[in-house]
Amino acid sequence: LAKTTQPISMDSYEGQEVNITCSHNNIATNDYITWYQQFPSQGPRFIIQGYKTKVTNEVASLFIPADRKSSTLSLPRVSLSDTAVYYCLVGGYNDMRFGAGTRLTVKP
Amino acid sequence: DGGITQSPKYLFRKEGQNVTLSCEQNLNHDAMYWYRQDPGQGLRLIYYSQIVNDFQKGDIAEGYSVSREKKESFPLTVTSAQKNPTAFYLCASSTGTGIRAFFGQGTRLTVV
Repeated sequence: LAKTTQPISMDSYEGQEVNITCSHNNIATNDYITWYQQFPSQGPRFIIQGYKTKVTNEVASLFIPADRKSSTLSLPRVSLSDTAVYYCLVGGYNDMRFGAGTRLTVKP
Repeated sequence: DGGITQSPKYLFRKEGQNVTLSCEQNLNHDAMYWYRQDPGQGLRLIYYSQIVNDFQKGDIAEGYSVSREKKESFPLTVTSAQKNPTAFYLCASSTGTGIRAFFGQGTRLTVV
């Protein structure tokens, strides 16, 4: 079973920053934290991955506290096209189990 | 272009027939995965393979079978033993680093 806990759904408005938090209390020393985005009838798409502290790329930031028991995906200035399901995964390549994800709805 | 290809995109079968879904990757990835997704639900792991000629059951393997004879290919057979096979099936592959995976576009299987 998935080792993560995320909110089932979130609503936001265009232009706002959205933060989605994932809890992973049993994270192992060598586990990575990876986030995916999925649109309806498509395969998930990799967004960002990190091990500790902060990681930033062109679409998102990932904040990981020192104890690594949680992580926060930050999406700056969301638009309607960011409406999707976001999944947090923890582990290695032999543990690719998804939870239910967070359904983000961006409103105009 | 490098990527992962699933075919066909839509598949219709009669109840009681076995059906095989294709998944091919040219990313030189060692690991490959099959998932099932039902409407409004998350992805559930069916089978995965970390190396050629070896694979492991995921959380919902009953009624499914796989093979991994080549690194590039990981076909999934939905057998007549699968009680509710109508679903969206996704294939993925990944390297051995972390869990950054690449997904295909999926096959929507409808059994009538």
